[in-house]
Amino acid sequence: EVQLVESGGGLVEPGKSLRLSCTTSGFTFDDHAMHWVRQAPGKGLEWVSGISWNSGSIGYADSVKGRFTISRDNAKNSLFLQMNSLRAEDTALYYCAKDIFKSWDHAFDVWGQGTMVTVSS
Amino acid sequence: SYVLTQPPSVSLAPGETATITCGGDNIEYKKVHWYHQKPGQAPVLVLYDDNTRPSGIPERFSGSNSGNTATLTISRVEAGDEADFYCHVWDPSNHEVFGGGTKLTVL
Repeated sequence: EVQLVESGGGLVEPGKSLRLSCTTSGFTFDDHAMHWVRQAPGKGLEWVSGISWNSGSIGYADSVKGRFTISRDNAKNSLFLQMNSLRAEDTALYYCAKDIFKSWDHAFDVWGQGTMVTVSS
Repeated sequence: SYVLTQPPSVSLAPGETATITCGGDNIEYKKVHWYHQKPGQAPVLVLYDDNTRPSGIPERFSGSNSGNTATLTISRVEAGDEADFYCHVWDPSNHEVFGGGTKLTVL
């Protein structure tokens, strides 16, 4: 069974940092691009960042560019999101999602259950 | 940047056919993907590349894409189909783009 399990969320003050992790199992991790997608309370889905299978291609939403960094460790089947200079508007449930293919311009066929990030003083 | 427009809500009775639209500039030249999300749950892929169903998705779910509108059609709607539905495309200007979502209510 394919599983994606996010961790690392929590309550953090504005301007601080947080590192999210996504541990995966049940599929060949380095055969797929991976993504982070967030959902603010009561709102829709917002793509945050994507990374190709070999980290050769990376993209960010304009809202997080320069503050967030996506990375992956294929040896550990894990995906990460380093979030710096956090703002109140970054408050959301952060999902890890698996891309259908190696490059990150296709559908997301498996999603984790999400980890909540709350930015507040 | 590329924008996808969905109706906020669609309501219909059980057994009817639901049509959920996703509008975008020349969207017919893009591959459109659809997800449903039930309250408190993660999104689930229901169609990809306009009209391909992942394994486990009923044949009642189908899609089309023409001109400036992509459409998700759910035939013989059931109470269990109630969810928020999102369309999704890739665009070179702003990468992955989601529509605002449509709440499907089965009366």
